[in-house]
Amino acid sequence: AQSVTQLGSHVSVSEGALVLLRCNYSSSVPPYLFWYVQYPNQGLQLLLKYTSAATLVKGINGFEAEFKKSETSFHLTKPSAHMSDAAEYFCAVSGARYNTDKLIFGTGTRLQVFP
Amino acid sequence: GAVVSQHPSRVICKSGTSVKIECRSLDFQATTMFWYRQFPKQSLMLMATSNEGSKATYEQGVEKDKFLINHASLTLSTLTVTSAHPEDSSFYICSARGGSTEAFFGQGTRLTVV
Repeated sequence: AQSVTQLGSHVSVSEGALVLLRCNYSSSVPPYLFWYVQYPNQGLQLLLKYTSAATLVKGINGFEAEFKKSETSFHLTKPSAHMSDAAEYFCAVSGARYNTDKLIFGTGTRLQVFP
Repeated sequence: GAVVSQHPSRVICKSGTSVKIECRSLDFQATTMFWYRQFPKQSLMLMATSNEGSKATYEQGVEKDKFLINHASLTLSTLTVTSAHPEDSSFYICSARGGSTEAFFGQGTRLTVV
């Protein structure tokens, strides 16, 4: 069985401040991990993914995440928040059969960025 | 990245009627498609998984007779909400996987049943 837990349903930061969105996973098989961003009334866009290669993963828009097996974590960070980063962020886990394994999503974290 | 097109983006229908939502993979073959439902300010709830040419696998608690899923080709899956009621109003999102480690998502469909 697989699951993800996102700590903090809302995160607020000032523009230019560090962004840290937390995600912990549980998986009985080697996991693939993903971070997606969703803007209002839109689908999901992939920010980055971990697929058992490098543990530090760099994604789009300056985001990165580090896979830490010992902590079962995959936290998302960005050194300097921008107003356009305000959105809903979802962490997700799947198995390695990527063609067929379903994605299990966390409950999401809403990021607010203040000027 | 690959493109998944979902149509319509918004639909309003009368209670008791049926609504069909299409999900197309435009530049890759989607061996597996997933349908999600998302309530306001909540996460995505997986409704069903469909593989091309076979019956969809529904998650527990999802009525297969109410939410009909067809995956007739490697580029098209449809979700039909039959005899829709106001409680079916929601945001429905499809995603597709095939030959890649990631799933690509459609733009979503806002269904309002009046």
